[in-house]
Amino acid sequence: QVQLVQSGAEVRKPGASVKVSCKASGYTFTSYYIHWVRQAPGQGLEWMGIINPSGGSTTYAQKLQGRVTMTRDTSTSTVYMELSSLRSEDTAVYYCARFSGSRAAFDVWGQGTMVTVSS
Amino acid sequence: DIQMTQSPSTLSASVGDRVTITCRASQSISSWLAWYQQKPGKAPKLLIYKASSLESGVPSRFSGSGSGTEFTLTISSLQPDDFAIYYCQQYNSYPWTFGQGTKVEIK
Repeated sequence: QVQLVQSGAEVRKPGASVKVSCKASGYTFTSYYIHWVRQAPGQGLEWMGIINPSGGSTTYAQKLQGRVTMTRDTSTSTVYMELSSLRSEDTAVYYCARFSGSRAAFDVWGQGTMVTVSS
Repeated sequence: DIQMTQSPSTLSASVGDRVTITCRASQSISSWLAWYQQKPGKAPKLLIYKASSLESGVPSRFSGSGSGTEFTLTISSLQPDDFAIYYCQQYNSYPWTFGQGTKVEIK
């Protein structure tokens, strides 16, 4: 079945970096863009950016520019989201989501990865 | 950035009630809007795409309408499984923004 499986929870100190993975299966990896969305505890959803798994091109939310990097490995059907210079405000659940062009919506989501930034 | 404003923020309703949630965009987004349902500890689930198209497998009691700047999500007869938080999201332009969410709770 179509699924996105993310890496496990992470704890980092302020100023450090974190890299979260999202492994796709059950469909042609290069045919669907992958987005990243985060959700701080008790808060709403925040769009972070998009990566085209085919060519690797990216677009990031302006507020995260310079701190976020999205990459992909087509050999393992995995996309990565790395966030640097972490702050306490980056504590959140990070989700990857597949964008369906025919629906123009996120039709498949990863299970989420909790990232905690604490000294 | 396009601001998405949902109302109400919280809605108390009973099983069997008809429920309507509104989402307003700060500028026209045509029909580039989706609705998601999120339950505690879970990822969001797609309900409605392109403002009014029902995602496969989603019960027909869910419906969406609207275009331009005003959109609604309607649940025709609220069921116990429907108590959750609902988010709208626009896809018209980057950054793709979400509404702040509407919590549907048991009355």
